Amino acid sequence: KQEVTQIPAALSVPEGENLVLNCSFTDSAIYNLQWFRQDPGKGLTSLLLIQSSQREQTSGRLNASLDKSSGRSTLYIAASQPGDSATYLCAVSDNQGGKLIFGQGTELSVKP
Amino acid sequence: DTAVSQTPKYLVTQMGNDKSIKCEQNLGHDTMYWYKQDSKKFLKIMFSYNNKELIINETVPNRFSPKSPDKAHLNLHINSLELGDSAVYFCASSRLAGEAYNEQFFGPGTRLTVL
Repeated sequence: KQEVTQIPAALSVPEGENLVLNCSFTDSAIYNLQWFRQDPGKGLTSLLLIQSSQREQTSGRLNASLDKSSGRSTLYIAASQPGDSATYLCAVSDNQGGKLIFGQGTELSVKP
Repeated sequence: DTAVSQTPKYLVTQMGNDKSIKCEQNLGHDTMYWYKQDSKKFLKIMFSYNNKELIINETVPNRFSPKSPDKAHLNLHINSLELGDSAVYFCASSRLAGEAYNEQFFGPGTRLTVL
């Protein structure tokens, strides 16, 4: 049974720092991995999707990497800003109906 | 030009009542999903539909019945509501499940409170 773990559960950094969020999964037979952000009381915003055949994806200040064999993904945020404060969720999918299995999230706070 | 929309945003009701949540997507996607986010903020799949056909039913009590009148809509009907049903319910959509690149897009959520 696939399990997804995110470490740390919470992170507080000063503005301008580069930071890394970690995601690990127990079954390497994934179809893709998706990173989301969730603002309090809001829905999920898709940030990046990495297909199982890819090693990384980049969007602006965000870079996500995937190491399927070791069951790990990282989300790198460069030059963090207060507007980056949110909960970041990692989710993996298999090819059986496309369901996403989520981690518990990392709550990020970027202090001005 | 909302991509995935849900109504209502908030739903407060008494135990034992029946309620429905509606979801619509205008992305032209073939697959739609319902997820539940519990009080600890953990998200879990409930159902998914491909072109109006149920493909995932993740051991959800049969008080929950999804209905897909067409591929742009997936509604969730809940009978005999219980306290434990209180949660935020998210609808999502993607290209056909099983395609290589099926990024999922989520609606804003419906916060259900059962009193």
